[in-house]
Amino acid sequence: ETGVTQTPRHLVMGMTNKKSLKCEQHLGHNAMYWYKQSAKKPLELMFVYNFKEQTENNSVPSRFSPECPNSSHLFLHLHTLQPEDSALYLCASSQETDPNYEQYFGPGTRLTVT
Amino acid sequence: AQTVTQSQPEMSVQEAETVTLSCTYDTSESDYYLFWYKQPPSRQMILVIRQEAYKQQNATENRFSVNFQKAAKSFSLKISDSQLGDAAMYFCAYFGGSQGNLIFGKGTKLSVKP
Repeated sequence: ETGVTQTPRHLVMGMTNKKSLKCEQHLGHNAMYWYKQSAKKPLELMFVYNFKEQTENNSVPSRFSPECPNSSHLFLHLHTLQPEDSALYLCASSQETDPNYEQYFGPGTRLTVT
Repeated sequence: AQTVTQSQPEMSVQEAETVTLSCTYDTSESDYYLFWYKQPPSRQMILVIRQEAYKQQNATENRFSVNFQKAAKSFSLKISDSQLGDAAMYFCAYFGGSQGNLIFGKGTKLSVKP
């Protein structure tokens, strides 16, 4: 396991539910990311936070709401999701957003929307 | 827009043999980074190797090496002396200076036969 943890590892939710994904990094990094990994599709960047400030929102629907209360924690709040939102959601962190700094990934949350 | 293409959805290699995974990309930038990531069945993505576009020398990390052909926009990964633990999804990724975030290919699933 790297220093990036994600909870829960699996989540099943109905379309009317509200749930949150949590990511925590113990690496002292300043940048954190949310990615969506769907079957047969490339990994898609959703959000980037750098020093707790959101620097990237990759045209993500508003039913996904990120929150970064501090540099160590990142949340993804979910509400009124669609079945096509079922995917593996990966969190990552890096020292900075510069590509010279490696991104460390968490194990992911497998989300199923019913 | 930049794109990353991995034309081999699946590959197979005999243990101790050598295998090459292909990746091509499209960009108009001259300064960028290229990466290979490995995602084992446990799902935690890890960085295998990185190449800076301005460096002519191909990157090497133990049994992993790349063949970077900038003019052809090709970035293949060679795994020598394949081991059972090399079995995983391998993702090629691009990071461009102006774009500022990782763009991933769809991945290649590598199987290693004992």
